[in-house]
Amino acid sequence: NAGVTQTPKFQVLKTGQSMTLQCAQDMNHNSMYWYRQDPGMGLRLIYYSASEGTTDKGEVPNGYNVSRLNKREFSLRLESAAPSQTSVYFCASSDNRGSNQPQHFGDGTRLSIL
Amino acid sequence: AQTVTQSQPEMSVQEAETVTLSCTYDTSESDYYLFWYKQPPSRQMILVIRQEAYKQQNATENRFSVNFQKAAKSFSLKISDSQLGDAAMYFCALRGYSGGSNYKLTFGKGTLLTVNP
Repeated sequence: NAGVTQTPKFQVLKTGQSMTLQCAQDMNHNSMYWYRQDPGMGLRLIYYSASEGTTDKGEVPNGYNVSRLNKREFSLRLESAAPSQTSVYFCASSDNRGSNQPQHFGDGTRLSIL
Repeated sequence: AQTVTQSQPEMSVQEAETVTLSCTYDTSESDYYLFWYKQPPSRQMILVIRQEAYKQQNATENRFSVNFQKAAKSFSLKISDSQLGDAAMYFCALRGYSGGSNYKLTFGKGTLLTVNP
């Protein structure tokens, strides 16, 4: 079972470059999320998509854009990467038919911006 | 706004012993859900246990159990008979339910658990 698949797993960028992180889930979940994880900060929500066709800002949306391409795919774009965006990025999905359903996470993308 | 606080940045336990990880939270919602996730060095986020706030009975999953104190807004995780494979970062998370599709999680900063042989 693939679950939530993120690509790439690692990436190094130069300041000012653009990059799109891809995420796909095969669990027929309605909701998808992007988080970033920084040392000592836990996971912080960047953007989420409650259902296909909708996206909303989370706690730390500045510098990012998202696209819910279809029910399966939710991408995160950095238009002009900055060193402060060096982080580990996680995509997650959940079934919102039951509000106690957990989120299922991908394996993360380690992004370094020089 | 929701907040989750894990006051223990690091904990250690001897193999086969019991350890308790603390979590407190704050929310204005009357209906919500609490989760503990485990993140081993592989970086995967693995669900350990979940608790519905309207249930008084504490959740249990094999060696993992919670002590849910709703009035005190406390949600601690107890790991019994600790194993080397339990070594990981543990995150407490809260999801409010305000209707519609609001299923966002708020995470604590994590507790790094070391298991000593």
